Amino acid sequence: GAVVSQHPSWVICKSGTSVKIECRSLDFQATTMFWYRQFPKQSLMLMATSNEGSKATYEQGVEKDKFLINHASLTLSTLTVTSAHPEDSSFYICSASSSLGVWNEQFFGPGTRLTVL
Amino acid sequence: QQQVKQSPQSLIVQKGGISIINCAYENTAFDYFPWYQQFPGKGPALLIAIRPDVSEKKEGRFTISFNKSAKQFSLHIMDSQPGDSATYFCAASSGGFKTIFGAGTRLFVKA
Repeated sequence: GAVVSQHPSWVICKSGTSVKIECRSLDFQATTMFWYRQFPKQSLMLMATSNEGSKATYEQGVEKDKFLINHASLTLSTLTVTSAHPEDSSFYICSASSSLGVWNEQFFGPGTRLTVL
Repeated sequence: QQQVKQSPQSLIVQKGGISIINCAYENTAFDYFPWYQQFPGKGPALLIAIRPDVSEKKEGRFTISFNKSAKQFSLHIMDSQPGDSATYFCAASSGGFKTIFGAGTRLFVKA
């Protein structure tokens, strides 16, 4: 299957700093990428959908200015958590899909554990 | 309705037994129903998926049963093994690519 990587796998930062998480599709071109947030023992919560070269579409309740998403190429999307606070601590997961592949099939990255002190 | 209702919340099965997880949806526009397996600290991995034009799909020990009229689908894990212990999510999506996930089922297979 298609491979999606995330970097870093975990990050610890101080409150008020910004953190960037990268999501890469390694062996296919991802026309659409998704960013999810997952709290312990809970399901995945979609934060935003991004298409290459376009502005991301954010889900209701997700602050656009706090969670900046850039999908600059067909293989890379980044999520920047700006002015992070302890309540932003969570497991962030990206996924990618291709219009050339099985319709609607998403391939998930391994996730990034963010801890804000 | 965009929800996908998943049950049970947790499941304990003896090694060699059958694990059954159920999901129900409301939106008839959904046309793709995947199941994901997630281990602690890892991202979800696609396990098996089905489209509503078939009633069953089998891959190895994993089978999806789909009932379009009842708007329900289920995952059966045959000959469950301790290595199958994980959280399983059902999901549903339509042409807009947005995927709706169930709440998850934590499966524990006793050796």
